[in-house]
Amino acid sequence: AQSVTQLGSHVSVSEGALVLLRCNYSSSVPPYLFWYVQYPNQGLQLLLKYTTGATLVKGINGFEAEFKKSETSFHLTKPSAHMSDAAEYFCAVSGANNLFFGTGTRLTVIP
Amino acid sequence: SQTIHQWPATLVQPVGSPLSLECTVEGTSNPNLYWYRQAAGRGLQLLFYSVGIGQISSEVPQNLSASRPQDRQFILSSKKLLLSDSGFYLCAWSGTPQGGYTFGSGTRLTVV
Repeated sequence: AQSVTQLGSHVSVSEGALVLLRCNYSSSVPPYLFWYVQYPNQGLQLLLKYTTGATLVKGINGFEAEFKKSETSFHLTKPSAHMSDAAEYFCAVSGANNLFFGTGTRLTVIP
Repeated sequence: SQTIHQWPATLVQPVGSPLSLECTVEGTSNPNLYWYRQAAGRGLQLLFYSVGIGQISSEVPQNLSASRPQDRQFILSSKKLLLSDSGFYLCAWSGTPQGGYTFGSGTRLTVV
């Protein structure tokens, strides 16, 4: 069975600091992994995804994530936080017919 | 290119009134379709998904129902709304498992 755990429901960083949002997954098959971002009162937007191949994937807005099979992790990072990065972030793993989402991490950026 | 439309954007309904939210997808055929709900400060709750016309799977028993009358149309309904039905409703579609989901812009439902 597939599941996702996002460590930390709230993360605060200073503007310009490193952003690290943690995601661990459980999957009985080779996983497809996703990160989504949600701004207030909007739908979810795909940031990046890992399917096969290179384990370091780059996404939009300067974000990237690394698939580490040995650690069953897919952490999201950005070298320098911007005020516009303040949002909620969801990690997800693909199942047969649907995605299994984590509970989300709300990122606050402090000026 | 594929697009997904969801409406209305906001809705205020009295308790006991009916509900109909509509979602349509363009630019693809035979998509998997999904309805999610987000309560305030909560994560995503999968309500229904559909892999084809007339095929609906319910994930959470409640007073909501879903229908798929056409390949690219997905409707969320209720005969009588409850206060607890308030939330942000999201429609999504997917093609292949590695493609992930594409979400609509959401409907903010407030039941008063």
